[in-house]
Amino acid sequence: GAVVSQHPSRVICKSGTSVKIECRSLDFQATTMFWYRQFPKQSLMLMATSNEGSKATYEQGVEKDKFLINHASLTLSTLTVTSAHPEDSSFYICSASVQGPYEQYFGPGTRLTVT
Amino acid sequence: GQQVMQIPQYQHVQEGEDFTTYCNSSTTLSNIQWYKQRPGGHPVFLIQLVKSGEVKKQKRLTFQFGEAKKNSSLHITATQTTDVGTYFCAGRNAGGTSYGKLTFGQGTILTVHP
Repeated sequence: GAVVSQHPSRVICKSGTSVKIECRSLDFQATTMFWYRQFPKQSLMLMATSNEGSKATYEQGVEKDKFLINHASLTLSTLTVTSAHPEDSSFYICSASVQGPYEQYFGPGTRLTVT
Repeated sequence: GQQVMQIPQYQHVQEGEDFTTYCNSSTTLSNIQWYKQRPGGHPVFLIQLVKSGEVKKQKRLTFQFGEAKKNSSLHITATQTTDVGTYFCAGRNAGGTSYGKLTFGQGTILTVHP
């Protein structure tokens, strides 16, 4: 149980285009979903926290107009990188949690490359 | 804001040797979690510690939570090649505006030589 999927696993896009990444909890309803960014051999940097039906809470320094988060249901959250630039190239990982233990179940991640 | 420091950044061991990674928080934590990320993979939840001074074991892994709930450690006895990966601690703030949010340490990259 507690499986989180993420789509796509890899995406290459041109500078200036937008990319949407989906995060789904497959066998449970997630009260909260998190979006992280990870650079090679570095830690996970929390970008934003989203609860179903409400606006995402962004971490300091994360541009909410650039990284659009939609949490339409208890099983789906999307991250859209708008007007992508090469510096946005990174590994984006989502996670989902349920109330109580608050342990986070991570998706497999999306490798974004902006050319 | 809350900071979680983890050391060492890298650890190379021979198979059979022990390994320990340490985690220190700048603030008191309500709980701490540990995750393992295999090379090329995503973080996988290992355990959560909640109580002051708590010690939990999972086979060769021993997890400790400090009395002040500001530090934690993960100790692996007799490492195996399957232990290779990055180990992250993640602390949840005890209060304030960041309540509930996990702050990850930098991670310790473990390499095991056969």
